[in-house]
Amino acid sequence: AQSVSQHNHHVILSEAASLELGCNYSYGGTVNLFWYVQYPGQHLQLLLKYFSGDPLVKGIKGFEAEFIKSKFSFNLRKPSVQWSDTAEYFCAVIPTRRGTALIFGKGTTLSVSS
Amino acid sequence: DGGITQSPKYLFRKEGQNVTLSCEQNLNHDAMYWYRQDPGQGLRLIYYSQIVNDFQKGDIAEGYSVSREKKESFPLTVTSAQKNPTAFYLCASSIASGQPLTGELFFGEGSRLTVL
Repeated sequence: AQSVSQHNHHVILSEAASLELGCNYSYGGTVNLFWYVQYPGQHLQLLLKYFSGDPLVKGIKGFEAEFIKSKFSFNLRKPSVQWSDTAEYFCAVIPTRRGTALIFGKGTTLSVSS
Repeated sequence: DGGITQSPKYLFRKEGQNVTLSCEQNLNHDAMYWYRQDPGQGLRLIYYSQIVNDFQKGDIAEGYSVSREKKESFPLTVTSAQKNPTAFYLCASSIASGQPLTGELFFGEGSRLTVL
């Protein structure tokens, strides 16, 4: 069965620190990749996505992610975090073959102190 | 305003009772989903539906049932057979113009069910 692993359960950073959240998936075929974010008290929303093309994708609020096919990874990065980035971040994968739905990782809680 | 409406936002029920969570969308999306979110577990797929009158089981379908009689609506029933029903339930939808599903989901605000 396909699975998604997020390396960190809880990350604590100070403002202006750099962020990298790890994500690996297990599936040998072609996939679409996503990062979703859930800010406190808000609904889950799309942060960025990768379908094909340039493996470095940019999302909202200065986030980016790099797809490394050989490593089955899709790590999320931000050069300088802000207090408002405090949220839970979910990596998600969907194989592009028919008959499947989005598979989520367990999430990483990011706490940014001002 | 287009979006997904889940109700109720909070629900308390006694053990052994069935409960139905509502999910309505006005985005004209074909596909709808139910996920369960537990602390430290991420989101786990319960059921999804790509078209009216059709749905598929997800990873944790046992103890749940769904229906998809209208494009806009995808209610979830948590039955008494669900052994640990206390959780946060998220409904989502996506465009499903043809196959496969892209995975780009729009989420509702969730329903928190507590079984006493």
